[in-house]
Amino acid sequence: NAGVTQTPKFQVLKTGQSMTLQCAQDMNHNSMYWYRQDPGMGLRLIYYSASEGTTDKGEVPNGYNVSRLNKREFSLRLESAAPSQTSVYFCASSASGGQPQHFGDGTRLSIL
Amino acid sequence: GENVEQHPSTLSVQEGDSAVIKCTYSDSASNYFPWYKQELGKGPQLIIDIRSNVGEKKDQRIAVTLNKTAKHFSLHITETQPEDSAVYFCAPSSPGYSSASKIIFGSGTRLSIRP
Repeated sequence: NAGVTQTPKFQVLKTGQSMTLQCAQDMNHNSMYWYRQDPGMGLRLIYYSASEGTTDKGEVPNGYNVSRLNKREFSLRLESAAPSQTSVYFCASSASGGQPQHFGDGTRLSIL
Repeated sequence: GENVEQHPSTLSVQEGDSAVIKCTYSDSASNYFPWYKQELGKGPQLIIDIRSNVGEKKDQRIAVTLNKTAKHFSLHITETQPEDSAVYFCAPSSPGYSSASKIIFGSGTRLSIRP
């Protein structure tokens, strides 16, 4: 039972490069989320998908795009990476809104 | 939008003592109140949650209490052990299609258990 799987675990990019972070869940959850975690700032919601076929902006969406590929998979894309996007990125899923979220172990992204 | 404040930001307690972390929120529509534990190098993991029709919930050494009138809820850990050392987050929310946009995590409490 894998839960939420994120790939890659680590990545270093140069400014201006593009990158897609992958996330898959095997719990048949409807809702999926992308967060970023910076030191001392908790988790901030970037984008979410309440159900398959829908995506919406969260608190900090600028510089990112997402795709809900199917019920299992939700990807996060950085089109032109900037140093300010250096962070740890977490994907999560839940049965629906107002339900417990299950998190992956994160992608540690550094942009030089 | 929702404003969430979590206190204290750091907490150090002697092994065996109790620890209490408080989360204050602003959205009166919030009705789901979880606490997550994050260990080093891992994603947050739900440890206990409560809904607005309940005032207190207990699971072995951990408990959550809710005061909806005052808009705060607290995490209580009794008989603390070294494995309780971690960062704890609250994340109050409300149900509904667009509720995810209102999920705001607290800034976290780093709990250290002294041997």
